[in-house]
Amino acid sequence: DTGVSQDPRHKITKRGQNVTFRCDPISEHNRLYWYRQTLGQGPEFLTYFQNEAQLEKSRLLSDRFSAERPKGSFSTLEIQRTEQGDSAMYLCASSLWGGRETLFSSYNEQFFGPGTRLTVL
Amino acid sequence: AQTVTQSQPEMSVQEAETVTLSCTYDTSENNYYLFWYKQPPSRQMILVIRQEAYKQQNATENRFSVNFQKAAKSFSLKISDSQLGDTAMYFCAFMKHGMNRDDKIIFGKGTRLHILP
Repeated sequence: DTGVSQDPRHKITKRGQNVTFRCDPISEHNRLYWYRQTLGQGPEFLTYFQNEAQLEKSRLLSDRFSAERPKGSFSTLEIQRTEQGDSAMYLCASSLWGGRETLFSSYNEQFFGPGTRLTVL
Repeated sequence: AQTVTQSQPEMSVQEAETVTLSCTYDTSENNYYLFWYKQPPSRQMILVIRQEAYKQQNATENRFSVNFQKAAKSFSLKISDSQLGDTAMYFCAFMKHGMNRDDKIIFGKGTRLHILP
């Protein structure tokens, strides 16, 4: 399967515990994105990487959240001291960014993974 | 800031009928993309159709077409000859293009579409 994969698919944890999610992008894709989707809402942007560099973080990403993409391939999203409000679906997406010329030309489609559903009790 | 509004939380139609999902958006940008994404139950989100704001011609993809009204900031999705497999959550979405491009997709709250046999 050459799509975006995420692990685990479901995670149940108790308030105050730390959790870590993994995302494996499509192999040749250099950009990787994290979104959060709460019940009844559309996905909200959290952060994204180009290769190993984290280019932008949303203000939604509090100090308890940290994302890494150490070798420019897979990425991890860690939530420390989880709260009930962190319960959501965490979506990962990847795309192939072709450089500055992409700004006005082709669209680098973001391909989404199946998500990790987090439940904080 | 950009916003995307979907005013229909849920819709149901009979199989083979045509259905239109509504979306409005607000932006001060002149150059942007608009999308419709489909999220089937327990499955990953996929792109249904994309529209570049500078293009006057409405995008079409097989049974899916859009009605893009730039001045009115309206972007509706029409599904013709609806099929059971079209049952899903549909999200309208926006992304800046050109020099202000930031690769962040802004989604609406979604419309849950049920296709009835």
